[in-house]
Amino acid sequence: QKEVEQDPGPLSVPEGAIVSLNCTYSNSAFQYFMWYRQYSRKGPELLMYTYSSGNKEDGRFTAQVDKSSKYISLFIRDSQPSDSATYLCAMITGGGNKLTFGTGTQLKVEL
Amino acid sequence: DAMVIQNPRYQVTQFGKPVTLSCSQTLNHNVMYWYQQKSSQAPKLLFHYYDKDFNNEADTPDNFQSRRPNTSFCFLDIRSPGLGDAAMYLCATSGSIGGGPGDTQYFGPGTRLTVL
Repeated sequence: QKEVEQDPGPLSVPEGAIVSLNCTYSNSAFQYFMWYRQYSRKGPELLMYTYSSGNKEDGRFTAQVDKSSKYISLFIRDSQPSDSATYLCAMITGGGNKLTFGTGTQLKVEL
Repeated sequence: DAMVIQNPRYQVTQFGKPVTLSCSQTLNHNVMYWYQQKSSQAPKLLFHYYDKDFNNEADTPDNFQSRRPNTSFCFLDIRSPGLGDAAMYLCATSGSIGGGPGDTQYFGPGTRLTVL
């Protein structure tokens, strides 16, 4: 079993839709959780960072962490074609140096 | 703007011909990382430097080496590239290790390596 599981998609939605991206993990030592956005042939760009259970909002993006269920989510409201990218969840243990990534979900927002 | 820069963006090499990829940063971060990302896969950590201290991942092949001559620059050397080494190579930096809010990793745009 992989430490981090993420549905690879692809996920195709119409412009304006609410998108839900999810990851599950097995290592209870993970304490810090991130979402990166990666456009085609580019490096990952940090989108959201959280370190406790609950919600964190930044504009159209909301990151949700449920440590008891080992489940994290990223919600995108009013999705735009410019949101079309691969979204990688990543997590790290407290004191750790190594990010453990999900395989990424490819999202396409269509006009 | 402070950033992580990788050169070249695209590199083509021949099977067995040594190649060096370059990363530089203006963030003045202590830690620099090299990741390998194959198509539709998660980035895989190869090694990292904390200042001058080199830390190799246990499953990184000996074919991969790294140098960090100063705070700003880090190089990835592939001594004898095989077809299986074709991938995107990502450099990242962070202020420190530990995963906390100040230790977030910032990535460069990557170098796409093709092995013929």
